[in-house]
Amino acid sequence: TQLLEQSPQFLSIQEGENLTVYCNSSSVFSSLQWYRQEPGEGPVLLVTVVTGGEVKKLKRLTFQFGDARKDSSLHITAAQPGDTGLYLCAGGSNYKLTFGKGTLLTVNP
Amino acid sequence: GAVVSQHPSRVICKSGTSVKIECRSLDFQATTMFWYRQFPKQSLMLMATSNEGSKATYEQGVEKDKFLINHASLTLSTLTVTSAHPEDSSFYICSARGLNYGYTFGSGTRLTVV
Repeated sequence: TQLLEQSPQFLSIQEGENLTVYCNSSSVFSSLQWYRQEPGEGPVLLVTVVTGGEVKKLKRLTFQFGDARKDSSLHITAAQPGDTGLYLCAGGSNYKLTFGKGTLLTVNP
Repeated sequence: GAVVSQHPSRVICKSGTSVKIECRSLDFQATTMFWYRQFPKQSLMLMATSNEGSKATYEQGVEKDKFLINHASLTLSTLTVTSAHPEDSSFYICSARGLNYGYTFGSGTRLTVV
């Protein structure tokens, strides 16, 4: 069974601070995806990384895929209250997605 | 982009009754659909995977007879919670994947069993 360890599980910061969320596994994934989910809604895809060592940027969000394709990180610069939500990493295989436990981020004004 | 429609968004039912949740891919053919369950402030737990025209594959610990999944066409899958009990109350989310289309999620269904 492929498992994804995501940390931290909860994070409460002030507006303007930077943060990093980590996603680690002992298994290799063909791709890794990051989602953001708001209460009462489905997850929304932020990015997909497929190449070891890949770095993708989405405005203030920077996503990195480890060289061995077993881990990933999400870094948010100058967090804003609108970034509040549940961030989920998910590892892809040929037949399903495996989700990490999620990071519940609260950005206080 | 790919869109998955899930209905209803909220449902309240009495204990002992059955509830059906629909998941439709609106602009692509979903060869595979996935059903997840999510508890408050927790991640998504995969319940089952279904391929069009074949029986669903359930994850360990998920009761097949309680959570009936049908994937009769390339655009529709249904999850029926049979003889629902209060402990079945949860947020259920579907996801669909098709040729050249990655995982697309529905907006979820909040089930409350009273």
